[in-house]
Order: sequence, then structure tokens, then C-alpha cells
Amino acid sequence: GQQLNQSPQSMFIQEGEDVSMNCTSSSIFNTWLWYKQDPGEGPVLLIALYKAGELTSNGRLTAQFGITRKDSFLNISASIPSDVGIYFCAGLKGSSNTGKLIFGQGTTLQVKP
Amino acid sequence: NAGVTQTPKFRILKIGQSMTLQCAQDMNHNYMYWYRQDPGMGLKLIYYSVGAGITDKGEVPNGYNVSRSTTEDFPLRLELAAPSQTSVYFCASSYGGSRATDTQYFGPGTRLTVL
Repeated sequence: GQQLNQSPQSMFIQEGEDVSMNCTSSSIFNTWLWYKQDPGEGPVLLIALYKAGELTSNGRLTAQFGITRKDSFLNISASIPSDVGIYFCAGLKGSSNTGKLIFGQGTTLQVKP
Repeated sequence: NAGVTQTPKFRILKIGQSMTLQCAQDMNHNYMYWYRQDPGMGLKLIYYSVGAGITDKGEVPNGYNVSRSTTEDFPLRLELAAPSQTSVYFCASSYGGSRATDTQYFGPGTRLTVL
């Protein structure tokens, strides 16, 4: 099936450091989404990107929709302990109006105080 | 609003048993989805619905059935549980319509183990 390759698989960083993760695909997506999942919870949407080249921020989070429409990255600046969790990218293809998303495998982030 | 609610939170089934995972939303959303999440993996779409009475298969529908008799409820049925169905199941909903990219709100999940 279709796949989004997300990297790195996991990160262990010091509080205050910046974090960068990315998502790539062999096919084009029209929308990229970034979700965060806390332990025992469902994913929560962080940032949505709708246009190639778009750069969007949400507090300390910044995400970009790649120009080729085959990739996206998420940056977290000045990490804090509550940033711990699993970050997923998700893509929506074509002109589908069903909202069917393809998810990456996730990046697990751990922050050392 | 309670958002998206799921019951039960945990369940252990024996091989061959059946069960229904419940999902309800009180946001008047048109679209609802069922995903499964295996360890170390992203979410995979099982079934989805764009409105009451309308359902369609996602990426991994085998072994599951759904129904959507009301806007609020979207139960997922496992008829003959198999160990391969051990997973965490998430229900989600969104407003849908012309902006299919709008936010999907997820429930807290049901952790299912089949022994």
C-alpha cells in the first residue's frame, strides 16, 4: 500500500534543544498534516499544510510543505518536557473528498529535563 | 461537548469470539473513521463513512464490519477475532464536505488483545 516514510524513528534530546523531523513519499500529496499522540491518547492535529511551499507555525512548531509535494518537515524549537510523545505525519492525495489519510510510522520524541 | 468517545477502553478476547467497538461523536460531524494502530506503526484506515447509511472500505477492512445508522454512532464489529487483530483501535470524526482536509478529531482508543 501507499507509504509515508518518516524519520528519524526516535529522538532523545535535552530540554531546550531544537528538533527536526521529516516525512517523504514517492508520490504526490495535496495536503500534509502533522499530529502528536500522547501516551494512551488519540492523535491531536498540530499543523495542516495545504499548498506546496507553504510554511506554517503554531507556537514553537513550524512545518513546511515541500515544493515537490512529496515531502514535509516539522521543527520544534526550544523543546520542553511536555513535547514528549509520538509525532505523525499524514498525507491526503488527489481530489478525494473523503478525508482518507495516509499516516507515517511516527517519530518518538523523548526530552530529558 | 464530549467530542469522540469510545468504549470499551480495554478488552481481551479469545480467538473466534466476536465483539463490537463503540464510537460516538456529539459534534454533528458528517465523516467518521476507524483506524488501527499496531506497535511502532502509524494508523491504518479500516473503514470510513461520509454520512448516515454510507460506509466504505479503507486500507485494511478484512475481518471487520461497520454500520452507520445515525450521524452520531459508528460501531466497528469483529465477527471472528484473530490474534492479528490485536491492536489499538481509534475512531475519528470530521465535518467533511467540500473541505475534506479539515481536522479529524480522534477518540481515546480501544486497546484490544486477542489470545
